[in-house]
Amino acid sequence: KAGVTQTPRYLIKTRGQQVTLSCSPISGHRSVSWYQQTPGQGLQFLFEYFSETQRNKGNFPGRFSGRQFSNSRSEMNVSTLELGDSALYLCASSFTNGFDEQYFGPGTRLTVT
Amino acid sequence: AQTVTQSQPEMSVQEAETVTLSCTYDTSESDYYLFWYKQPPSRQMILVIRQEAYKQQNATENRFSVNFQKAAKSFSLKISDSQLGDAAMYFCASKGSYSGAGSYQLTFGKGTKLSVIP
Repeated sequence: KAGVTQTPRYLIKTRGQQVTLSCSPISGHRSVSWYQQTPGQGLQFLFEYFSETQRNKGNFPGRFSGRQFSNSRSEMNVSTLELGDSALYLCASSFTNGFDEQYFGPGTRLTVT
Repeated sequence: AQTVTQSQPEMSVQEAETVTLSCTYDTSESDYYLFWYKQPPSRQMILVIRQEAYKQQNATENRFSVNFQKAAKSFSLKISDSQLGDAAMYFCASKGSYSGAGSYQLTFGKGTKLSVIP
């Protein structure tokens, strides 16, 4: 069974631009969660989608948004990029995001210059 | 809200020796799960071990075991017979903060960087 895939793996953007990251969950998984990882703040929860609905959202500004498609693939979008948005963005999938295990993708390294 | 604290930013262990990574957590939930994740330099986060809070027996996975002290809210990870491949960042995490609609948020500690000395 294929694991969680994320594209692109690396991305360089300029301040003020917007970016879209993609995540394909493990086949059969309906929940997709997104995390931001930085050296200073560690791993922070962004949001979680289940069956195309956002069920949970972390404490991030409205510039961070996401969506999920009917095939469970998910995208997250960051508008008006700031230098502080430079981070590793991790996606994780699970069957239900109850107490079942979350499987992580390799991440997308975003650098904002 | 849940919080997870890892007080050891870095640790090192001699190959074949045993090392223990510390983690404390705080939660008001009565039902929750605890996890240790490993993130090697390649960045792929993988689950090492999980513990259900309602189980008194400590979880074990091959060379990895935990010491779960519920009253003290402590959840340490013991790695026996350390191998070079164990070198990685280790994150302690808890899951139990219910947001409604069936979604549980995973809360991570800051991580412990483990080095294995040949």
